[in-house]
Amino acid sequence: GNSVTQMEGPVTLSEEAFLTINCTYTATGYPSLFWYVQYPGEGLQLLLKATKADDKGSNKGFEATYRKETTSFHLEKGSVQVSDSAVYFCALRINFNKFYFGSGTKLNVKP
Amino acid sequence: EADIYQTPRYLVIGTGKKITLECSQTMGHDKMYWYQQDPGMELHLIHYSYGVNSTEKGDLSSESTVSRIRTEHFPLTLESARPSHTSQYLCASSELVGTGEGYTFGSGTRLTVV
Repeated sequence: GNSVTQMEGPVTLSEEAFLTINCTYTATGYPSLFWYVQYPGEGLQLLLKATKADDKGSNKGFEATYRKETTSFHLEKGSVQVSDSAVYFCALRINFNKFYFGSGTKLNVKP
Repeated sequence: EADIYQTPRYLVIGTGKKITLECSQTMGHDKMYWYQQDPGMELHLIHYSYGVNSTEKGDLSSESTVSRIRTEHFPLTLESARPSHTSQYLCASSELVGTGEGYTFGSGTRLTVV
């Protein structure tokens, strides 16, 4: 079947620390992979995406590389800010079907 | 500006009341979705639609119903609200074709049934 597993939170970092949020997936075909971010009291916003193996998605200093060999799409940022505090969701979409979301990882960044 | 709108943002209502959560999008997307988000943040798909007059139940059983009479409008109705319906409800839309496109989400409706 299709599923997404991401690391449990909360993840607590100091400002300017390096961030990694792990995401692995299982898929029955060739998925597109996504990271969404949800700020407090808001809906989800698309952060970045990758549509095929070895693609790198990037936005606002965040990056993730589609690794088919390890079925992973880990989110990274070199230097986090307090404003990055949010919940991050990894997701996959396959064929023309619905999305499969991970369970979300809460990030807290302290000044 | 193309966007997706949900109203109300917050709703507190008594048990047994009928409620409708509104969702409208201006992007001409064919596919629309309703997700229920529990306090642990996990998203559960409760309804989706491929277009006008198309509605399907999602992965999580829900007592709510939906309709899709117009492309841009996808309201969700609870005939008799109960405290167990207290949750955040998120509406989303996407284009019909293409796996490379993401969902566009509304800001959500936080429902509290007392």
